[in-house]
Amino acid sequence: SQKIEQNSEALNIQEGKTATLTCNYTNYSPAYLQWYRQDPGRGPVFLLLIRENEKEKRKERLKVTFDTTLKQSLFHITASQPADSATYLCALHTGGFKTIFGAGTRLFVKA
Amino acid sequence: SAVISQKPSRDICQRGTSLTIQCQVDSQVTMMFWYRQQPGQSLTLIATANQGSEATYESGFVIDKFPISRPNLTFSTLTVSNMSPEDSSIYLCSAGRAGTGTDTQYFGPGTRLTVL
Repeated sequence: SQKIEQNSEALNIQEGKTATLTCNYTNYSPAYLQWYRQDPGRGPVFLLLIRENEKEKRKERLKVTFDTTLKQSLFHITASQPADSATYLCALHTGGFKTIFGAGTRLFVKA
Repeated sequence: SAVISQKPSRDICQRGTSLTIQCQVDSQVTMMFWYRQQPGQSLTLIATANQGSEATYESGFVIDKFPISRPNLTFSTLTVSNMSPEDSSIYLCSAGRAGTGTDTQYFGPGTRLTVL
């Protein structure tokens, strides 16, 4: 079955550093992949989408890469700030309007 | 984008009772979904709410337990029936627009349900 793996351990980094989160998937070849941010007590918020024919996508301090050979996406936040502290979810498009979400990685940015 | 509101934001219910959660979108959307999320877990899709017809349920979820209505393009309800403590979770409504080339979804704030 399709499976998405995100690092279940929280990521702790110092303010100003680059945070890198990993999303690995198996048993599927998605046409695109999405990243969402979720704050405690809130629903996920869409951040970025990257298609299978795109290697990299940027939006302000965010960068996403997509390696369909490795079946992996990396999500980078440069010049991280305490306000970036949240859980980041990877989501795979699986056909039609179906999306599978990873469990997310919690990021803590210390001032 | 779409702004989604849910009511109630949280509730504590007794075993055996039912709770209906409302979801309102600020603009017309094609697709509406209901998810469940346990603390620290991924989102699990319960069903797709179809306007004017029966919802499409995912494996492990049935209409008798989770009846869903969608009377128009901006509103849906999810009922959690005959609740047990195992139903304690966060229930999230989401919406998206088909035909945009992607399935980007917009989420409500969630309803935190505790069943005693």
